[in-house]
Amino acid sequence: NAGVTQTPKFRVLKTGQSMTLLCAQDMNHEYMYWYRQDPGMGLRLIHYSVGEGTTAKGEVPDGYNVSRLKKQNFLLGLESAAPSQTSVYFCASRSDSNSPLHFGNGTRLTVT
Amino acid sequence: GDSVTQMEGPVTLSEEACLTINCTYTATGYPSLFWYVQYPGEGLQLLLKATKADDKGSNKGFEATYRKETTSFHLEKGSVQVSDSAVYFCALITGNTPLVFGKGTRLSVIA
Repeated sequence: NAGVTQTPKFRVLKTGQSMTLLCAQDMNHEYMYWYRQDPGMGLRLIHYSVGEGTTAKGEVPDGYNVSRLKKQNFLLGLESAAPSQTSVYFCASRSDSNSPLHFGNGTRLTVT
Repeated sequence: GDSVTQMEGPVTLSEEACLTINCTYTATGYPSLFWYVQYPGEGLQLLLKATKADDKGSNKGFEATYRKETTSFHLEKGSVQVSDSAVYFCALITGNTPLVFGKGTRLSVIA
């Protein structure tokens, strides 16, 4: 029972490099979310999706792009990484608007 | 917009002490309220929830009551253990909007 799986777990990038974070869920959930967690800031929503083929901006979307080509996957892309994007990134999913979120274990990204 | 305010930490308690972490909210409509817990190196896990006024959520000895009159959802436990050391997040949702989180409260329990 995998739940929500994030890859990679850790990554170090140089400023200007690009990368994609992958989130996969095996619970057939409609809704998927990307958050970033920074000290003293709690969790801030980057982008989210309410179903396959849909995406929407959250609180802090600048510098990130997302895609939801398949229901089970939600990709977060950084086209040109900046040190301000150093953070821990969490993916989450849920089945409907009244259900609790299921979280992955996070990706720790450092941009130097 | 909707928001959640929770007490700042860190909170340090001795084992078997009583715990209260305050959480208040501002929301349009009638939100559902949640407490999530994050253990070191892990993602967040749902601890408990309440979906309407006067509901009490409970799990693992933790409780929280949805108080509409004071717009609060304080987390309580009568006797904490070292294994309760974690970061606790209060959150709300209204309708189809994404979950709104508080900034988290770090709890350390010492033996």
